[in-house]
Amino acid sequence: GENVEQHPSTLSVQEGDSAVIKCTYSDSASNYFPWYKQELGKRPQLIIDIRSNVGEKKDQRIAVTLNKTAKHFSLHITETQPEDSAVYFCAASKGGSYIPTFGRGTSLIVHP
Amino acid sequence: NAGVTQTPKFRVLKTGQSMTLLCAQDMNHEYMYWYRQDPGMGLRLIHYSVGEGTTAKGEVPDGYNVSRLKKQNFLLGLESAAPSQTSVYFCASSRDALLETQYFGPGTRLLVL
Repeated sequence: GENVEQHPSTLSVQEGDSAVIKCTYSDSASNYFPWYKQELGKRPQLIIDIRSNVGEKKDQRIAVTLNKTAKHFSLHITETQPEDSAVYFCAASKGGSYIPTFGRGTSLIVHP
Repeated sequence: NAGVTQTPKFRVLKTGQSMTLLCAQDMNHEYMYWYRQDPGMGLRLIHYSVGEGTTAKGEVPDGYNVSRLKKQNFLLGLESAAPSQTSVYFCASSRDALLETQYFGPGTRLLVL
């Protein structure tokens, strides 16, 4: 089955810095890669996703890049703010599969 | 729309007791999932359902049972609770599993003493 590795497990940055979280996946058939943000005590919520037919997608300060050859995808957050502090999860799934596989999460801490 | 809701929000059980967690969604989604979240372990899939009347095992199904008698509801049962089942349980739903977003419920915090 699919295996998703996520790094780092903890990331501490100063406000205004950029943050990058990287995930690698094992199944070359995976073609959908969402990222979820979970604030403390809250539910995970989708912040951005990418499909295998594109290499990059941006939404304001957030971007995701996908390298299908290397089987990795990354979340980029620019100009970080304290409200970006949360746990971020990546996931991978493939068409016809009912089960997305999640990474173990990255705790992002943005210091004011 | 309420989205995905879960009851109860918090529960304390004694070892050996049973309980049922209820997940409800009003988005007419076909697929529903139960996850548990433990520190450092991410989200682990317990059971899932691809439609009314269907269920399937996920990564960590032991000690849990599920039922999907109605499309909008997905129940998670613990027949004989154990301390290892202390966790936060999240339900999620998606329109279908073909490249679609999962919508999560607010979670149920369960403590088994």
